[in-house]
Amino acid sequence: AQSVTQPDARVTVSEGASLQLRCKYSSSVTPYLFWYVQYPRQGLQLLLKYYSGDPVVQGVNGFEAEFSKSNSSFHLRKASVHWSDSAVYFCAVESSGSWQLIFGSGTQLTVMP
Amino acid sequence: DAGVTQTPRHEVAEKGQTIILKCEPVSGHNDLFWYRQTKIQGLELLSYFRSKSLMEDGGAFKDRFKAEMLNSSFSTLKIQPTEPKDSAVYLCASSPGQIYAEQFFGPGTRLTVL
Repeated sequence: AQSVTQPDARVTVSEGASLQLRCKYSSSVTPYLFWYVQYPRQGLQLLLKYYSGDPVVQGVNGFEAEFSKSNSSFHLRKASVHWSDSAVYFCAVESSGSWQLIFGSGTQLTVMP
Repeated sequence: DAGVTQTPRHEVAEKGQTIILKCEPVSGHNDLFWYRQTKIQGLELLSYFRSKSLMEDGGAFKDRFKAEMLNSSFSTLKIQPTEPKDSAVYLCASSPGQIYAEQFFGPGTRLTVL
């Protein structure tokens, strides 16, 4: 069975600092991987997705993620965060054989001014 | 194009009541999902429809939760009877129904059961 682990429930960084949010997946086949963001009182929005090709994939608002098959990871990065990036970030893997998403538990990001 | 619409945005119910949450997916999308979101359990899949057919009924949620897709542009989630532990945010999402496709989420309905 596929699964996703986000080991950091909360991350706090200062505005302008770099950011990495961690995501580890478990899958017997090459997975379809996603990062979503949820701002307060809103639904989830797609940041980026990956299936194949260049392991570094670019997303919206300066976010990127790097896929590592050897580490079973899909970490999210941003070079310089802004206070408006404060939100909950979810990593997800598409379940093989169906088109359902399996979500991690989420990481609450707080950007301090 | 309009995104996913959910109504109401907030619902307060007494224990034992029946409540119905509504969702309108993105026009033309074939897949529709209902999730429950809580701080402790995170995102849990309740139901999954493909082209109006129920593909996944959420296992543990079967007894009091019933999702229906009356037509391709409207879905409901009925909780009967409600219990305080049902207090959560209920999210609806739709997708074109292709592999590797993005799911588009509505803003959610916040349910409080007293």
